[in-house]
Amino acid sequence: AQKITQTQPGMFVQEKEAVTLDCTYDTSDPSYGLFWYKQPSSGEMIFLIYQGSYDQQNATEGRYSLNFQKARKSANLVISASQLGDSAMYFCAMRERTGGYNKLIFGAGTRLAVHP
Amino acid sequence: KAGVTQTPRYLIKTRGQQVTLSCSPISGHRSVSWYQQTPGQGLQFLFEYFSETQRNKGNFPGRFSGRQFSNSRSEMNVSTLELGDSALYLCASSLRLAGEETQYFGPGTRLLVL
Repeated sequence: AQKITQTQPGMFVQEKEAVTLDCTYDTSDPSYGLFWYKQPSSGEMIFLIYQGSYDQQNATEGRYSLNFQKARKSANLVISASQLGDSAMYFCAMRERTGGYNKLIFGAGTRLAVHP
Repeated sequence: KAGVTQTPRYLIKTRGQQVTLSCSPISGHRSVSWYQQTPGQGLQFLFEYFSETQRNKGNFPGRFSGRQFSNSRSEMNVSTLELGDSALYLCASSLRLAGEETQYFGPGTRLLVL
């Protein structure tokens, strides 16, 4: 069965520093998509970044980059130059393709606190 | 472009009642998915609708149902509410681009069952 593991329940970082949030996944499907979402206390899930299993390069979106190591089945999110507004829950998710269409499987999440 | 909207944002019901939640997708998006988020179980997939047809279903009892209208708006219904149904219900819409679909979520509906 497909599974997403986020081993860090909570992380804190100093403002303007970089932080890495860990995500490992397990799937036997050769084709899959990996996503990161941010959930502030308001509850809305905000899409941050996407990585396809066949993408040769690591995805980047502004201050967000995804460190994709396919052999290790890891897809860590790197946030550079942290800002106070980055404090939120962060979820790693995998799109299940085999008959799954748009079903996303989520990890348990990591709560990030950015300190001034 | 307007984002995904969900109504109502907050809801309080009592056990045994039923509830209907509404989701309006981003304009042009035809796929709508529903997720339940609880502190104990995390985020779990409920079901997905595409062109008014349920395309995929998660592992939830039959009390949870949904539908999609011709304008892609979707509703989710929970009958005979239980205390454990208290959760944040998130709706997401998506559009396939270059072989991949990214789900964009609405603000959610917080349901409290007393």
